[in-house]
Amino acid sequence: EVQLVESGGGLVQPGGSLRLSCAASGFTFSSYWMHWVRQAPGKGLVWVSRINSDGSSTSYADSVKGRFTISRDNAKNTLYLQMNSLRAEDTAVYYCAREYDFWSGYYYYYMDVWGKGTTVTVSS
Amino acid sequence: DIQMTQSPSSLSASVGDRVTITCRASQSISSYLNWYQQKPGKAPKLLIYAASSLQSGVPSRFSGSGSGTDFTLTISSLQPEDFATYYCQQSYSTPLFTFGPGTTVDIK
Repeated sequence: EVQLVESGGGLVQPGGSLRLSCAASGFTFSSYWMHWVRQAPGKGLVWVSRINSDGSSTSYADSVKGRFTISRDNAKNTLYLQMNSLRAEDTAVYYCAREYDFWSGYYYYYMDVWGKGTTVTVSS
Repeated sequence: DIQMTQSPSSLSASVGDRVTITCRASQSISSYLNWYQQKPGKAPKLLIYAASSLQSGVPSRFSGSGSGTDFTLTISSLQPEDFATYYCQQSYSTPLFTFGPGTTVDIK
């Protein structure tokens, strides 16, 4: 079964750090680009970060650039999100998601597999 | 940056109703538009990709259409399990995968 399982969430004080993990199984993890998406309480989905299949290329939303770092260990089938200088507005459920690239004359991109999420609360 | 809007923000409907949700991009995104369904406390689920392609396993009552800036998600006959929030997402301006604000479908 194709599966993503996030972990590492919790309560952290403003200015603190946390590292999220996303364990992948049931597919060839090293072949896929991966994402982190977050959802603040009662709010919509917000894209956070993306990493290519070998980890050599990363991208971030402006709101987290310079504070968050996405990485992966393909030998361990695991995606990470290192979050530093956390703020109250980073409080959210964080989902990891697999990107699927569909060819139909052009490449189309979408997130076809999602984890259940891990909750991060930034509060004093 | 490309901005996504959705209308309505919420709607009330009955089982069996035909439901249409609209998504609009601030600039042309060709067919780089995906739709997701999210139920409370659950992860999002992919419904439609590339504007009109049905994801495997998704019931055929769901359909998507549009290109350029205007897109629609249609549920032909609303079922009890379809009450949820629906999000559109553009994947034209990668790596920024912008989501729309969501449309909540609840029971009338």
